[in-house]
Amino acid sequence: EAGVTQSPTHLIKTRGQQATLRCSPISGHTSVYWYQQALGLGLQFLLWYDEGEERNRGNFPPRFSGRQFPNYSSELNVNALELEDSALYLCASSLGGIRYEQYFGPGTRLTVT
Amino acid sequence: AQSVTQPDIHITVSEGASLELRCNYSYGATPYLFWYVQSPGQGLQLLLKYFSGDTLVQGIKGFEAEFKRSQSSFNLRKPSVHWSDAAEYFCAVFVSGNEKLTFGTGTRLTIIP
Repeated sequence: EAGVTQSPTHLIKTRGQQATLRCSPISGHTSVYWYQQALGLGLQFLLWYDEGEERNRGNFPPRFSGRQFPNYSSELNVNALELEDSALYLCASSLGGIRYEQYFGPGTRLTVT
Repeated sequence: AQSVTQPDIHITVSEGASLELRCNYSYGATPYLFWYVQSPGQGLQLLLKYFSGDTLVQGIKGFEAEFKRSQSSFNLRKPSVHWSDAAEYFCAVFVSGNEKLTFGTGTRLTIIP
């Protein structure tokens, strides 16, 4: 069974640009979660999508947004990039809700210069 | 404020020695509790979880954790560590109604021969 996949592995952007990160969940999983892992800050919850709807979002500005497609894959968009957005962005999927185990992808390393 | 605390940023243990990683939480209700491990360059893997019932939980790779309500703690233990246990360990908490996983800042484990 294929795990959670994320693309690209690495992404380098300039301040002010937009970044798009992609996530494919495990087959059969309907929930996708996004987390930011910045140096020294641990994992911060960003967004939760289930059945195509945004169910919850963390304490991040509106320039962090995303969507979930009918095939349950998801993308995270970060507009007007700032230097402090440099981080590892992790995607996780689960069967459908927080109470189910989340399976994590390897992450996308975003560097903003 | 609700929080998850991992007091130890970095722990060094000799191979074969016992291990205990600390996790404390501050929530009014009994939360769901998780321990995840992150190896270098990889995503997170669930080691074990506590929802209810027996307060001593067994996980994968020989790990166990004990939920102590009176101390608001969920410490991770392993009787004998292996070099392959070197990684970063995260405690996470889910509280019903909050609808998100909140992670601690992690404990980096180094194993010496």
